[in-house]
Amino acid sequence: NAGVMQNPRHLVRRRGQEARLRCSPMKGHSHVYWYRQLPEEGLKFMVYLQKENIIDESGMPKERFSAEFPKEGPSILRIQQVVRGDSAAYFCASSPPVSGNHQETQYFGPGTRLLVL
Amino acid sequence: DQQVKQNSPSLSVQEGRISILNCDYTNSMFDYFLWYKKYPAEGPTFLISISSIKDKNEDGRFTVFLNKSAKHLSLHIVPSQPGDSAVYFCAASMNDYKLSFGAGTTVTVRA
Repeated sequence: NAGVMQNPRHLVRRRGQEARLRCSPMKGHSHVYWYRQLPEEGLKFMVYLQKENIIDESGMPKERFSAEFPKEGPSILRIQQVVRGDSAAYFCASSPPVSGNHQETQYFGPGTRLLVL
Repeated sequence: DQQVKQNSPSLSVQEGRISILNCDYTNSMFDYFLWYKKYPAEGPTFLISISSIKDKNEDGRFTVFLNKSAKHLSLHIVPSQPGDSAVYFCAASMNDYKLSFGAGTTVTVRA
């Protein structure tokens, strides 16, 4: 059973370009979460998606950032007009559907390291 | 606002001895706590969790202790092994999906 897949693992962009980060959840998982880790900091929640729905995007910057999880294919985190401050590691996690009140464990992918020049 | 704090950025321990990692939190609404382990260039791997209705949870060499009154939790690894050398993240949530992470503690197990 393959784990959470993310690609690319490393991405270099110049200021003003667009960055697209992809995440394929574990088999059987329908919930996807994106986190960002800045240097020397912990991971920070960005957005929570289910298939074709954004459930919570309270951690996403209001501009330039968007996320989707289409019916078919991976989840995409898109950053338009990147700036140097966007340089970070972006981690995707997935979990199975919530069963009752039990909180499901989130399983993380290897991350995409974005460097903006 | 850092709601989950790991005040020790690093820890060095002899192989075979106990590793104790500490984590403090400020939000009394947190009721679910997790520890993740992370190797370089990989994503965090879930280790162990504890609900706020418990004060201890054990899984093999890993034990997590929760002190709600002090808003403090700790992870004990006994005995420590070279493969335990990694960054350990403490995380907390209000029984929902939004995890708040500490900055991590780098553990080095010496042979």
